[in-house]
Amino acid sequence: DQQVKQNSPSLSVQEGRISILNCDYTNSMFDYFLWYKKYPAEGPTFLISISSIKDKNEDGRFTVFLNKSAKHLSLHIVPSQPGDSAVYFCAAVNNAGNMLTFGGGTRLMVKP
Amino acid sequence: EPEVTQTPSHQVTQMGQEVILRCVPISNHLYFYWYRQILGQKVEFLVSFYNNEISEKSEIFDDQFSVERPDGSNFTLKIRSTKLEDSAMYFCASSEGGLEFHEQYFGPGTRLTVT
Repeated sequence: DQQVKQNSPSLSVQEGRISILNCDYTNSMFDYFLWYKKYPAEGPTFLISISSIKDKNEDGRFTVFLNKSAKHLSLHIVPSQPGDSAVYFCAAVNNAGNMLTFGGGTRLMVKP
Repeated sequence: EPEVTQTPSHQVTQMGQEVILRCVPISNHLYFYWYRQILGQKVEFLVSFYNNEISEKSEIFDDQFSVERPDGSNFTLKIRSTKLEDSAMYFCASSEGGLEFHEQYFGPGTRLTVT
């Protein structure tokens, strides 16, 4: 089951630079997308979301972009901070229910 | 800030035993969920619960699993007869009700180890 895929298992970025995390999906019934951040031994923490009727949503340092034709979304973090180092999951929901389908996660390391 | 809480943080049990994992969702939320993450794998949906009944469940959520909201605050996941492959982190989540989709907020998880 690879309906939501994060192809980069890890990403290393210098503090102050932009982090770009990518996510692809295959199910065209998905109509809402979310990004979660997870630290070890903690639950996923909601970061930002986007509805399929939009192509961009911004919240402070975090921006999510959605390209529906490519079935691709990305999370931009600007500027990156060492405290952003965590595993980032994208998740998607279809219009039939509330079940989140998660990607495999990308480990972000922000170096001071 | 309101948060989802889960107990215990770690549960060790023997194969074949019953376990109950407990969650206290955010108080004004109406939808409740259980997810699990086996070590090294994706977070997987198990079940959603609304208005005192299951609204969705995955193939993983077989007859060995059950959920209950025994009172106004707790939400529990019971595994009737645990198997080695049930070892995982179990996350509870909750979200607001309404016609629009609302973000799900997760608890810190219970690590279940089946020996």
